[in-house]
Amino acid sequence: QKEVEQNSGPLSVPEGAIASLNCTYSDRGSQSFFWYRQYSGKSPELIMFIYSNGDKEDGRFTAQLNKASQYVSLLIRDSQPSDSATYLCAVRGSSNTGKLIFGQGTTLQVKP
Amino acid sequence: DVKVTQSSRYLVKRTGEKVFLECVQDMDHENMFWYRQDPGLGLRLIYFSYDVKMKEKGDIPEGYSVSREKKERFSLILESASTNQTSMYLCASSLTGGFYEQYFGPGTRLTVT
Repeated sequence: QKEVEQNSGPLSVPEGAIASLNCTYSDRGSQSFFWYRQYSGKSPELIMFIYSNGDKEDGRFTAQLNKASQYVSLLIRDSQPSDSATYLCAVRGSSNTGKLIFGQGTTLQVKP
Repeated sequence: DVKVTQSSRYLVKRTGEKVFLECVQDMDHENMFWYRQDPGLGLRLIYFSYDVKMKEKGDIPEGYSVSREKKERFSLILESASTNQTSMYLCASSLTGGFYEQYFGPGTRLTVT
């Protein structure tokens, strides 16, 4: 079992819809969870992080964390073509080394 | 703003050459990381460093070495480049602690011919 799993996609949604990206992780002691966006040919950039159970909202983005189910998700409301990218879920495990475990990423396509 | 810079955006080297990739961060971060990214394989950690002169192997250290002589600089060395090391190489840095993200440099696209 991979430590951090994401559906590779592509996930295709129409412009204006809600895109839902999901991630599961295996280390029950994981502390914090990050969502990065990566445009083709560019490096990952942080969108959001979350470390408490529940929802965290930032503009059109909402991160959701359920530690009991070992599940973290990212919702993008009012999706725009400019949101088309690969979204990487990253998890910091129970150690304190600064290491992140990355999922393979989900490719999102927002169609006009 | 945190800035992570990498010495080259594109690099073409020949098989057997020694290759140096350099990464510099300007935010006094303790941790620095080298990843490679290949289609279908995601981000894979090669090495990381949590302090000057300290290093730990990541998931795929074979064929690579690293050097961290100063806190702000972390170098990745390919001792004898091979074609299967053709990849995108990404450097990142972070503070130590459970809630700090990693900041990425722009990446170096290395082609070994």
